[in-house]
Amino acid sequence: GENVEQHPSTLSVQEGDSAVIKCTYSDSASNYFPWYKQELGKGPQLIIDIRSNVGEKKDQRIAVTLNKTAKHFSLHITETQPEDSAVYFCAASIRRNAGGTSYGKLTFGQGTILTVHP
Amino acid sequence: GAVVSQHPSRVICKSGTSVKIECRSLDFQATTMFWYRQFPKQSLMLMATSNEGSKATYEQGVEKDKFLINHASLTLSTLTVTSAHPEDSSFYICSATEWGWTEAFFGQGTRLTVV
Repeated sequence: GENVEQHPSTLSVQEGDSAVIKCTYSDSASNYFPWYKQELGKGPQLIIDIRSNVGEKKDQRIAVTLNKTAKHFSLHITETQPEDSAVYFCAASIRRNAGGTSYGKLTFGQGTILTVHP
Repeated sequence: GAVVSQHPSRVICKSGTSVKIECRSLDFQATTMFWYRQFPKQSLMLMATSNEGSKATYEQGVEKDKFLINHASLTLSTLTVTSAHPEDSSFYICSATEWGWTEAFFGQGTRLTVV
């Protein structure tokens, strides 16, 4: 099955700095890579995602890059703010073709605790 | 985005009793729902996958007789923890996807404490 490794486990930055979190995956069939932000006591919230036919995607201060050959993808947060502090999870998934019944089954990385100091 | 509502958010129960957690998709038809368990400071561990109208598929090591999953409609799935014990205390999270979508929408999670 799929295995997703995430690094670093903790990341501490000063407000305004950039933060980068990296993930690798093992199954070359994976074709969907979402990133989630989880605040204490809450469910994960999707912040950005990328599909395997795209190498990079950006949404304001957040960007994700994907290298299919190397099987790794990264989350980049620029101009970090204290409210960005949370646990971030990467995930990998296989989107099945018509007839499949397991859409959205995700394999998660171990998580990164991001702390942004004012 | 789509909304998944999970209830209750917190529940405390006595050892030996059963607890039911509900997961509802409010504005879309959830053909597939997933149930996760999360221990403190750890990642989400998939427990089971449930397709509407079918029996749930459990991940290896998850006791299907202990964690009963029902997905009888396109908007509701339930997880029942039967004969709960303190070691079942955890954060349980559901997610749902609609046919043809890739994105999974997550509920708010349920903090279960068994005393």
